Amino acid sequence: AQSVTQLDSQVPVFEEAPVELRCNYSSSVSVYLFWYVQYPNQGLQLLLKYLSGSTLVESINGFEAEFNKSQTSFHLRKPSVHISDTAEYFCAVSRGTSYGKLTFGQGTILTVHP
Amino acid sequence: DADVTQTPRNRITKTGKRIMLECSQTKGHDRMYWYRQDPGLGLRLIYYSFDVKDINKGEISDGYSVSRQAQAKFSLSLESAIPNQTALYFCATERDSYNEQFFGPGTRLTVL
Repeated sequence: AQSVTQLDSQVPVFEEAPVELRCNYSSSVSVYLFWYVQYPNQGLQLLLKYLSGSTLVESINGFEAEFNKSQTSFHLRKPSVHISDTAEYFCAVSRGTSYGKLTFGQGTILTVHP
Repeated sequence: DADVTQTPRNRITKTGKRIMLECSQTKGHDRMYWYRQDPGLGLRLIYYSFDVKDINKGEISDGYSVSRQAQAKFSLSLESAIPNQTALYFCATERDSYNEQFFGPGTRLTVL
C-alpha cells in the first residue's frame, strides 16, 4: 500500500517570500507523484506532476517540485509567492498508468499575507 | 460550460434519509471517481469506475453505493445518511493512462 504525508498542515508566509510545502510518500513500487491545488470554494486542479524523466518539474505559475527517490520526497517550492497563491495544496501518489487511483496527503493550507 | 458538474452544490438533510449526489462530465473520459474531503484528512476515495460496466470500492465505501448510468454520469447514494457523513464530496474524471484527474466543484453535504 502507498501513503502520503504532508508535514505541515498550515504555512503562513508574507508576499514575495519563498515557500516550501513538504511531501513524503511511502510505496513498495514505483510511483507517479502529483501536486493539486484547491482555491477557496473550488474543486482541485492539477498543479504539476512527475511521471518519469527529469526529477525537477515546473508549473506554469512558478511552482516547482523535485522528485527525490532516496528520500521518498516530492517537496513543492516557489521562490516568491503572491497573494493569489493562497490555497490548499495536496500531494498525491499513484501506482502508475494501469492502476490510476490517487492517494492524497492531508493537505497544506498556504496563506500569503500582504 | 464546466466539464465536470455536480448536483446539488449544497444539501442539508436529516439522519436516516436517502440522498443521491450526481456527477456529469463532458470530457469523454472513461474513468470516474467519488471522493470525500474532511478537514485535516485530505481526500479519501469512496468508489471508482473505469468504464460503464466496472464499479470498484475505494477505501471508505461503507454506507455508500454508486451507479454508472452512462459514460458521462456517475451517481453516489447514501442509503441512510448519518451525521459523520457530513463532508465535502467531489467527483473526478480521468482519461485512461494519463493520471490527471479533473474535479467537479464539489457538493457540501450536511447530515443533521
